[in-house]
Amino acid sequence: SQQGEEDPQALSIQEGENATMNCSYKTSINNLQWYRQNSGRGLVHLILIRSNEREKHSGRLRVTLDTSKKSSSLLITASRAADTASYFCATDTSGGYNKLIFGAGTRLAVHP
Amino acid sequence: EAGVVQSPRYKIIEKKQPVAFWCNPISGHNTLYWYLQNLGQGPELLIRYENEEAVDDSQLPKDRFSAERLKGVDSTLKIQPAELGDSAVYLCASSLGRRDNEQFFGPGTRLTVL
Repeated sequence: SQQGEEDPQALSIQEGENATMNCSYKTSINNLQWYRQNSGRGLVHLILIRSNEREKHSGRLRVTLDTSKKSSSLLITASRAADTASYFCATDTSGGYNKLIFGAGTRLAVHP
Repeated sequence: EAGVVQSPRYKIIEKKQPVAFWCNPISGHNTLYWYLQNLGQGPELLIRYENEEAVDDSQLPKDRFSAERLKGVDSTLKIQPAELGDSAVYLCASSLGRRDNEQFFGPGTRLTVL
């Protein structure tokens, strides 16, 4: 079973716009991670946020975590066509020892 | 440094045939994972190894699936016999296994069972 649920399932935007994806989960976590997957490829780690953190930045990425609402969001600013991919949140409920449960993902299309 | 290597990249077999996938993790990564990814879904863990020990295989369908990591480095996942519903992408990942570490994924093997 998948604990994380991403919203929306699909997102279509123009280059330069911001993209926001949300993730909700059900049980307590140790950390939450976001991954990107280009079509036909493996997943690439983007960012990890621990349960005691509320916000993290990495380049054009901003992740927030609200443990009271059991939700996280991923913001990609100034999107580019190369950002077109599926984005997955994954929760670690194993005490931080890397057993991840993935959501179904958000498919992002960025149009030039 | 090479990433996680998987082979083959694609495999097409008839149902009831056996199939095997191979994975070589990043050097020094003691934790290795096998995931199954259905179309339009996120990866689902099949088995997790710490060195050569399978520490979590609760989601591995043991009637037809088996895996090994004999020397704690590379790993093989086998399906025998394959069923139509096994068509999916099989992903291998590795990590350092320490607290709060990211996982590094291979490109996956796309299996089609006819």
